[in-house]
Amino acid sequence: DAGVIQSPRHEVTEMGQEVTLRCKPISGHNSLFWYRQTMMRGLELLIYFNNNVPIDDSGMPEDRFSAKMPNASFSTLKIQPSEPRDSAVYFCASSGLEYEQYFGPGTRLTVT
Amino acid sequence: EDQVTQSPEALRLQEGESSSLNCSYTVSGLRGLFWYRQDPGKGPEFLFTLYSAGEEKEKERLKATLTKKESFLHITAPKPEDSATYLCAVDLLRGAGGTSYGKLTFGQGTILTVHP
Repeated sequence: DAGVIQSPRHEVTEMGQEVTLRCKPISGHNSLFWYRQTMMRGLELLIYFNNNVPIDDSGMPEDRFSAKMPNASFSTLKIQPSEPRDSAVYFCASSGLEYEQYFGPGTRLTVT
Repeated sequence: EDQVTQSPEALRLQEGESSSLNCSYTVSGLRGLFWYRQDPGKGPEFLFTLYSAGEEKEKERLKATLTKKESFLHITAPKPEDSATYLCAVDLLRGAGGTSYGKLTFGQGTILTVHP
């Protein structure tokens, strides 16, 4: 299995621009998680889905953030408009029935 | 409030010098405790899951143990390639039926550096 796939790996954008991060979970996993990691705040859960349905989005910092999971093999995290404080590494993870989460390589986002 | 605290924040060891990392938790109902390893520039890598007090899991030089209030990650005769950040996380029982969708609460991590 290829593991969790994220794209792009690096994203540099200007403040105010829309950013879309993409994730392909491990085939057969039914839960998908979006995290943000910074030195100051560590690993923060933003939102997670179970069977493509959003279960808890309480970690989404603002209305500028939105996430979708249109099918079992694809999810997006969108930031519109982006701000410099959104700069971080964003991870996607997926899990199956045993709840062991497997993480992707992350997307390093820099907003200037 | 559910809390996960890891100590120490950073640990520097000489190659071969065994030690332990601690993860203490204050939660209402624990379904499982997870250990991850994270190398710079990479996503966390799953190591172990522990479900009940007294349980132990081993992998190469690592052994994880669990009590009712904390978990330890023991590193025996570490090598420089064991240098990484080690994260623990808890999965809680939720809702009237104890349903857990696998939402993890992570600690801040311990940065381990092993010098040759």
